[in-house]
Amino acid sequence: AQKITQTQPGMFVQEKEAVTLDCTYDTSDQSYGLFWYKQPSSGEMIFLIYQGSYDEQNATEGRYSLNFQKARKSANLVISASQLGDSAMYFCAMRGRIGGFKTIFGAGTRLFVKA
Amino acid sequence: DAGVIQSPRHEVTEMGQEVTLRCKPISGHDYLFWYRQTMMRGLELLIYFNNNVPIDDSGMPEDRFSAKMPNASFSTLKIQPSEPRDSAVYFCASSFGRLGNTIYFGEGSWLTVV
Repeated sequence: AQKITQTQPGMFVQEKEAVTLDCTYDTSDQSYGLFWYKQPSSGEMIFLIYQGSYDEQNATEGRYSLNFQKARKSANLVISASQLGDSAMYFCAMRGRIGGFKTIFGAGTRLFVKA
Repeated sequence: DAGVIQSPRHEVTEMGQEVTLRCKPISGHDYLFWYRQTMMRGLELLIYFNNNVPIDDSGMPEDRFSAKMPNASFSTLKIQPSEPRDSAVYFCASSFGRLGNTIYFGEGSWLTVV
């Protein structure tokens, strides 16, 4: 079975500081993909970043980077230089061959950026 | 390019009524997913299709829920009869191919059953 765990229901960060959102996963797949999505208060789901299980380098997209530690089965999202607009819900997700390529999501972490 | 299009955006209905949610995936995408989001249960995968064929419907909560995908450009999620506990945001999402391709979400259908 596949599972995504996000243990931080809520996080606070000061504007302009960096923040790490935790994500651990469980799978017996050898080949899988990990994703992060942002859901602002308006409700839409916005894709942020992707990491493949065979990618040797950590993924980066602008201020977002993914700290991928395969042996620990963790895929933490790092947001650098936080902005007020980063206040939102953040979801970690996984897609794997064993799961039939369906995408499953963690419970999410609500991030609050303080001015 | 148009994204995933869902309708209606908002629906308020009375308990016992039939509700039909509609989705048009991104053209060329071969996977389509229906998710439900609530405060209590988070984002749950209800059912997904590959090339219009239902692959896994284990997340469909009850027989009151059904989903169809008659062609590559259209899918429906039907609730009959609806109950107040079905109140949620229902997202449709689509993707092309498999692992490395992200899924793209529609804006969601906000359902309230009173």
